[in-house]
Amino acid sequence: ETGVTQSPTHLIKTRGQQVTLRCSSQSGHNTVSWYQQALGQGPQFIFQYYREEENGRGNFPPRFSGLQFPNYSSELNVNALELDDSALYLCASSLDFGGGRDTQYFGPGTRLTVL
Amino acid sequence: GDSVTQMEGPVTLSEEAFLTINCTYTATGYPSLFWYVQYPGEGLQLLLKATKADDKGSNKGFEATYRKETTSFHLEKGSVQVSDSAVYFCALYNQGGKLIFGQGTELSVKP
Repeated sequence: ETGVTQSPTHLIKTRGQQVTLRCSSQSGHNTVSWYQQALGQGPQFIFQYYREEENGRGNFPPRFSGLQFPNYSSELNVNALELDDSALYLCASSLDFGGGRDTQYFGPGTRLTVL
Repeated sequence: GDSVTQMEGPVTLSEEAFLTINCTYTATGYPSLFWYVQYPGEGLQLLLKATKADDKGSNKGFEATYRKETTSFHLEKGSVQVSDSAVYFCALYNQGGKLIFGQGTELSVKP
């Protein structure tokens, strides 16, 4: 069984640029959630995708957007990067039958630095 | 809104000491509760979970009991090892697709 994988591991961008982060869900999982973890803080929910549709969104501006593909992999896109976007971005996958309550398993994260 | 509060760290213990990390929550309804662990430079690993009141989650010697009357889910281990040094996060799942995390508690175990 393959776990959750994310790419790239590290990324450095400059303010105003755009970035795309990628996530492959654990085998058999159909739901992907994205979280932002600032240094020394707990993860904050960005959004969740279930069957290629957004299934919930946290308190993040529209410049944070996402996609889920038919194979259940996912992308997180951030436009107009700001210095405060520097964080560890975590992807989590789960097997959800619509109730949204199944356990989420996390990938290793992508460390984004915005200069 | 829903929230999770953890005891502040860092917590420093000697090897084989008893560990307790306090976690309390505020939520409507009947959330599921989790403990995740994060080793330096890594993502989160699920440590244990409980989905209803009085459930006890356990894994690798760690335990936590879902106490609805005190809205708590304290993490315990009888004898910690150096390899347990990490940051521990308490989290709840209620609705809307999201886990809500506490701020994390750093544990340092000295030989």
